[in-house]
Amino acid sequence: DQQVKQNSPSLSVQEGRISILNCDYTNSMFDYFLWYKKYPAEGPTFLISISSIKDKNEDGRFTVFLNKSAKHLSLHIVPSQPGDSAVYFCAARANNNAGNMLTFGGGTRLMVKP
Amino acid sequence: DAGITQSPRHKVTETGTPVTLRCHQTENHRYMYWYRQDPGHGLRLIHYSYGVKDTDKGEVSDGYSVSRSKTEDFLLTLESATSSQTSVYFCAISERDFLINTEAFFGQGTRLTVV
Repeated sequence: DQQVKQNSPSLSVQEGRISILNCDYTNSMFDYFLWYKKYPAEGPTFLISISSIKDKNEDGRFTVFLNKSAKHLSLHIVPSQPGDSAVYFCAARANNNAGNMLTFGGGTRLMVKP
Repeated sequence: DAGITQSPRHKVTETGTPVTLRCHQTENHRYMYWYRQDPGHGLRLIHYSYGVKDTDKGEVSDGYSVSRSKTEDFLLTLESATSSQTSVYFCAISERDFLINTEAFFGQGTRLTVV
């Protein structure tokens, strides 16, 4: 039973347009959410995060939105660039988590076309 | 970049042989993790450690064991490798105290093929 789900395995966007990646979760104990970006043959790298006390966090071209009532978060990339082409993982952490570990979604492959 | 080194980076092994993957960190972070990445499954937690000699199972721990005798090293052992353990393995580290709650930092991964 996946606690974090990314229902779109892939997304194709034109350069300069907005990319929207979605993530849903089921565990009400999750209070911290993160997005990671992964290029082939590399480890995932942290992109942006949001605490459950907020509904929006922005960092340059990247904005994460959190809708707690819907248990849904999304990552917006504006404008999209070819270098953004990668696999994006949504992750979540529970506040009662003794191991401080993250639960990941299955990933969405973003392709930004020039 | 966080100081995390995984070794080896690539390994091909035969079914039934033992395999040990090593993760070494220079950040002095308390928490260390082993994840595996498979198509359609994202990253799944195998085992984690919350201190020296303190480890616990993750979501997909069957067939794996871990050890942490020093803060900087976290070893993942496949006692008897099977083809289903062919995967890319990632080590990660994180820290948490009253004021700091960091994101996890990942190593570059180990591609393991069991033939």
